[in-house]
Amino acid sequence: GAVVSQHPSWVICKSGTSVKIECRSLDFQATTMFWYRQFPKQSLMLMATSNEGSKATYEQGVEKDKFLINHASLTLSTLTVTSAHPEDSSFYICSARVPGLAGLNTGELFFGEGSRLTVL
Amino acid sequence: AQSVAQPEDQVNVAEGNPLTVKCTYSVSGNPYLFWYVQYPNRGLQFLLKYITGDNLVKGSYGFEAEFNKSQTSFHLKKPSALVSDSALYFCAVRDLYNAGNMLTFGGGTRLMVKP
Repeated sequence: GAVVSQHPSWVICKSGTSVKIECRSLDFQATTMFWYRQFPKQSLMLMATSNEGSKATYEQGVEKDKFLINHASLTLSTLTVTSAHPEDSSFYICSARVPGLAGLNTGELFFGEGSRLTVL
Repeated sequence: AQSVAQPEDQVNVAEGNPLTVKCTYSVSGNPYLFWYVQYPNRGLQFLLKYITGDNLVKGSYGFEAEFNKSQTSFHLKKPSALVSDSALYFCAVRDLYNAGNMLTFGGGTRLMVKP
């Protein structure tokens, strides 16, 4: 299957600093990538849809200025947690959709390995 | 609106016994169904999917799932569980023909296989 690489896997930062997480599709081009947040023992919560060459689409309740998303190329999307606080500590997972058949929403999602953010 | 329900937070199975992880879904159009597995501090790994065709879908690591349209279910099964199958399992659904439709996940079911 397709490979999605996420970096860093672990990051610890001080409160007030900004942290950037990268999501790369290694062997395919992804016009659309997705960013999820997962709290302990809970399901994935979609934060935003990252669209190459245009602004991200954020889910309700997700602060755009807090979680900056940039999708500058067909293989890279970045999530920047600005002015991080302890409540931003979480597991962040990205996914990318493999192009599907024309007219059908059949493109599969492949997930990165996740990035655990701990804000002290 | 579409939704996925995984009624069991945890399923306990003895090694060698068959396992079932339940999933029911709701979607307005044609369902495109997935199962993913997540190991601790890792991303999600794709197990299998159903689009159309045979209701019994075979996937990775000996897992299979049965699509039941009348019961709107897509239960995950394995004939003989392994300790290494212990993980968190997510069922997900998307509308096949709605290009803008997002993937909706169930709450997850933790599978514990005991030796």
